[in-house]
Amino acid sequence: AQKITQTQPGMFVQEKEAVTLDCTYDTSDPSYGLFWYKQPSSGEMIFLIYQGSYDQQNATEGRYSLNFQKARKSANLVISASQLGDSAMYFCAMRAANRDDKIIFGKGTRLHILP
Amino acid sequence: DTEVTQTPKHLVMGMTNKKSLKCEQHMGHRAMYWYKQKAKKPPELMFVYSYEKLSINESVPSRFSPECPNSSLLNLHLHALQPEDSALYLCASSPTKDRGPQPQHFGDGTRLSIL
Repeated sequence: AQKITQTQPGMFVQEKEAVTLDCTYDTSDPSYGLFWYKQPSSGEMIFLIYQGSYDQQNATEGRYSLNFQKARKSANLVISASQLGDSAMYFCAMRAANRDDKIIFGKGTRLHILP
Repeated sequence: DTEVTQTPKHLVMGMTNKKSLKCEQHMGHRAMYWYKQKAKKPPELMFVYSYEKLSINESVPSRFSPECPNSSLLNLHLHALQPEDSALYLCASSPTKDRGPQPQHFGDGTRLSIL
């Protein structure tokens, strides 16, 4: 069975500090994709970053990087130099290559950036 | 700007009304999705269309009726909804599974309130 686990329901971080949001996953499929989404209180679900299971390097997109440790089945999101606008809910998600078109979401982490 | 457009952004309707939610994407994706999301929870999958055919129905009540008129459009027809159907409804699109484990891209959502 596929599963995504986010163990931090909420986090408070001082502005300009780096943040790590934890995500572990479980799948028996050899080919899969891991994603992070940001959802502000306004509701839109914003795609942040993608990591393929066969990618050799960790994905980066601006201030976002994905710390991919395949043996540990973890895919943590790192936000460098946090900003007030980073306050939002963050979801880790996974999609297997050879299954249906579904993606599996974690329960989310609510991030609060403090001024 | 999001490449998946949903209308309306807000909808208030009575339990006897009939209304429709609309979604349009111009990303060339052939998989489209409807999700329901309650506050502080991850999105719950409702329906998946693959190549304009319904491929997944997650046992959604018949008062929700999806329609995919063409590869760019997705509708969700609503009739005789219940107060517990009040939620954020998200549309998403992605490449189909034969294109690999690619992420879904979401619209901004429709906030639905049932009186």
